[in-house]
Amino acid sequence: EIVLTQSPATLSLSPGERATLSCRASQSVSSFLAWYQQKPGQAPRLLIYDASNRATGIPARFSGSGSGTDFILTISSVEPEDFAVYYCQQRSAWPLTFGGGTKVEIK
Amino acid sequence: EVQLLESGGGLVQPGGSLRLSCAASGFTFSSYAMSWVRQAPGKGLEWVSDISGSGVSTHYADSVKGRFTISRDNSKNTLYVQMESLRAEDTAVYFCAKVGYCYTPSCPRDYWGQGTLVTVSS
Repeated sequence: EIVLTQSPATLSLSPGERATLSCRASQSVSSFLAWYQQKPGQAPRLLIYDASNRATGIPARFSGSGSGTDFILTISSVEPEDFAVYYCQQRSAWPLTFGGGTKVEIK
Repeated sequence: EVQLLESGGGLVQPGGSLRLSCAASGFTFSSYAMSWVRQAPGKGLEWVSDISGSGVSTHYADSVKGRFTISRDNSKNTLYVQMESLRAEDTAVYFCAKVGYCYTPSCPRDYWGQGTLVTVSS
């Protein structure tokens, strides 16, 4: 099973700051990595697929990069609605796995 | 507009059974793989199972293999999961999700339902 480790667990930021979230895989997943956003009481929302492709309707301030084992989700300037938990997920091999999440909170 | 509506959750005793349904609309259901993902209270996301558009190909997490069965009825645009031998650790919100951006079951989950809560407790 491919283990995804996200860091940091919590990121405290003020609106307007840059957010950098990390996801590291225990073995290469090529570019088969997605990022999801989840707000309390809501379903997850797909932000980025295959490492760097923004999903439909996702604002340009969200970007993804990386390949192999190291991936980054960047929010260029955090908006109030971006405070949420972010999960990475690999689809390189079964079983599909999610990271433990990074909570982006208001500083 | 894509809509996914889960139903069938509730309270069940350990060892019991439950069937969840997910009614889909707004897309050609049979063309897309579908997925179940769960989230235990206060915890992260856990992939449970996927099924191809035709229903021929299925995949399961080890934690549910042999106890859960995913299926679909393309004539009714509905996804199911039959859950048997339920355990306390199966307590979670169960989300159904549509697979998008490609056509295999492993592709990204681009639309999600709001989830249905399953509680396994005596």
